[in-house]
Amino acid sequence: GAVVSQHPSRVICKSGTSVKIECRSLDFQATTMFWYRQFPKQSLMLMATSNEGSKATYEQGVEKDKFLINHASLTLSTLTVTSAHPEDSSFYICSARDYRSYNEQFFGPGTRLTVL
Amino acid sequence: AQTVTQSQPEMSVQEAETVTLSCTYDTSESDYYLFWYKQPPSRQMILVIRQEAYKQQNATENRFSVNFQKAAKSFSLKISDSQLGDAAMYFCAYKREYGNKLVFGAGTILRVKS
Repeated sequence: GAVVSQHPSRVICKSGTSVKIECRSLDFQATTMFWYRQFPKQSLMLMATSNEGSKATYEQGVEKDKFLINHASLTLSTLTVTSAHPEDSSFYICSARDYRSYNEQFFGPGTRLTVL
Repeated sequence: AQTVTQSQPEMSVQEAETVTLSCTYDTSESDYYLFWYKQPPSRQMILVIRQEAYKQQNATENRFSVNFQKAAKSFSLKISDSQLGDAAMYFCAYKREYGNKLVFGAGTILRVKS
């Protein structure tokens, strides 16, 4: 099956610093990748959709200057949380859509971000 | 806009018994896809089952089956012969046929008692 990896799995940073999270499709090309945020015992909230080679589309209420998304290749998308603050602490999950499988998204294992 | 509702925040089932998780959705589209995802404590999202709206036959994957009622916009998940490993958060999700986004319900925590 299609595999999506995320790195790092967990990160702790100081308030005011920036953190980059990588999402990779390991055995398929992902024309579209998605970034979600999840609070404990809550549902996934879509933050943005990124298409390879173009700017990401952000959901309403998501600050694009705060959460920078880059999808430079068909196998890699990155989410950078800039000037992180404690309220940015959360679980971030990426997913990727295989261009051959239009209807299914494959999820990464998630990244737990803690901002002190 | 499409919405997905899971009205059961938590459910419990005895090992080896059967449990049904409820999901309703709202859409004006006629063609779409519905999914059930499992999120165990590891937080890895796992696709359990998928249903295409144009198919009348309910999808089945081993111990997991759905009851898809298109007119009622209902999509429940039945887990038979429940196992301890089934304990997880379960999410119902909707996707338009040619859309990008998954719309998730709030989730149901399933506890399996031994």
